[in-house]
Order: sequence, then C-alpha cells, then structure tokens
Amino acid sequence: KQEVTQIPAALSVPEGENLVLNCSFTDSAIYNLQWFRQDPGKGLTSLLLIQSSQREQTSGRLNASLDKSSGRSTLYIAASQPGDSATYLCAVNTNAGKSTFGDGTTLTVKP
Amino acid sequence: GAGVSQSPSNKVTEKGKDVELRCDPISGHTALYWYRQSLGQGLEFLIYFQGNSAPDKSGLPSDRFSAERTGGSVSTLTIQRTQQEDSAVYLCASRSYGGTEAFFGQGTRLTVV
Repeated sequence: KQEVTQIPAALSVPEGENLVLNCSFTDSAIYNLQWFRQDPGKGLTSLLLIQSSQREQTSGRLNASLDKSSGRSTLYIAASQPGDSATYLCAVNTNAGKSTFGDGTTLTVKP
Repeated sequence: GAGVSQSPSNKVTEKGKDVELRCDPISGHTALYWYRQSLGQGLEFLIYFQGNSAPDKSGLPSDRFSAERTGGSVSTLTIQRTQQEDSAVYLCASRSYGGTEAFFGQGTRLTVV
C-alpha cells in the first residue's frame, strides 16, 4: 500500500526566504506526482505535475523535483511571500489517476 | 462547465439522516474520483469511476456509503444514516481519457450534528 509522508508538518519563515518542502513515498511504481496548494476552507489548486519519467518541473518561483527510485520529491519556493501561506499537499498518482496524499505542510510566511 | 462543480458547497444534517453529494465533472472527462478530507485524517481516496463503472471502491469506509455515476457524467455520493464521524470535506476530481492530471472541485463541507 502506498504511503506518502510530508516533512515538516509546519513551517514558518520570514518573507523573502527560500524554502524546501519534502515529500516521500514508499512505492516507487508511480505514474506521476503532483503538488497542490490548499487555502483554509478552500479546495485544491494544482501547482506542479511531474511525470514519472521527469526529474523536475518549474513554474515561476516554484520548482519541484522527483527522484522516483528513492521515493522522494521536493518543492522549492524561492523568495517566499506572505501570499504563499497555505497548506501544501503532495500526491502520488497511479496510471488510473488514483491519488494518495500526504498530510501536508502548513507554511506561514511572515511579513 | 469550465471546471469540476460540486454541490452543495456546505451541508449541515442531523445524525441519522441520509445525504446526497453531487459532482459535475469537466465535460468529456471519463474518469471521476471521490475523496474525503477529515480533521486529523488528511485526504483519503473513496471511489473511482471510469465511465459509469467503478473499478475501485476500496476506499468506501462502510456500507453506508455508496456512489453512482450516470451517463458518464454526473456522480452522486450518498451517505445513509449519517454519523458525526462522517463530517468532512468531500472532494471530487475528474480526468480526461488518457490525460495525466486530475482536476479537483471546491468540495462539499458536510457537518453532521
């Protein structure tokens, strides 16, 4: 059974810092991996999707890496802003599209 | 519609009552997924549809939970005899045939009192 772990559970940083969120998974037979953002009381916003054959994806200040063989992914956020404050969820997906989610990292960026 | 639509957005129900939650996937998307997000439980998979059939129901927590999908489009998740532990946000997602990414709705927040 796939298990996804996210570390740390919570992170607080001053504005402007670069930061890294970690995601690990137990079964490397994944189809792709996705990072989401969730604001309090809201749904999921997809940030980056990495296919199993890819090593990284970039979107603006966000960069996600994937090392499938070691079961790890990182989300790098550059020059953090207070608007980045949210919970970040990592999901690993089967080729049928079924997702297994981590418990998330709650990020607070202080002005 | 442009995105996955779920209704109602909020539902408060009395313990023991039945509830129906609705998901309208993105038009043309063949795959549809239901997830539940409970306090302290994270996001957990409930059921997956491909067309109108459900090849994976492994996440349904009890026989009080059922789901159907008709016409390869709208899906309804039904919870019978609701219990307080059913209180959660229920999220729906859809994906196109051969697509790589599932798109999520905004969820239905269910509160059982």
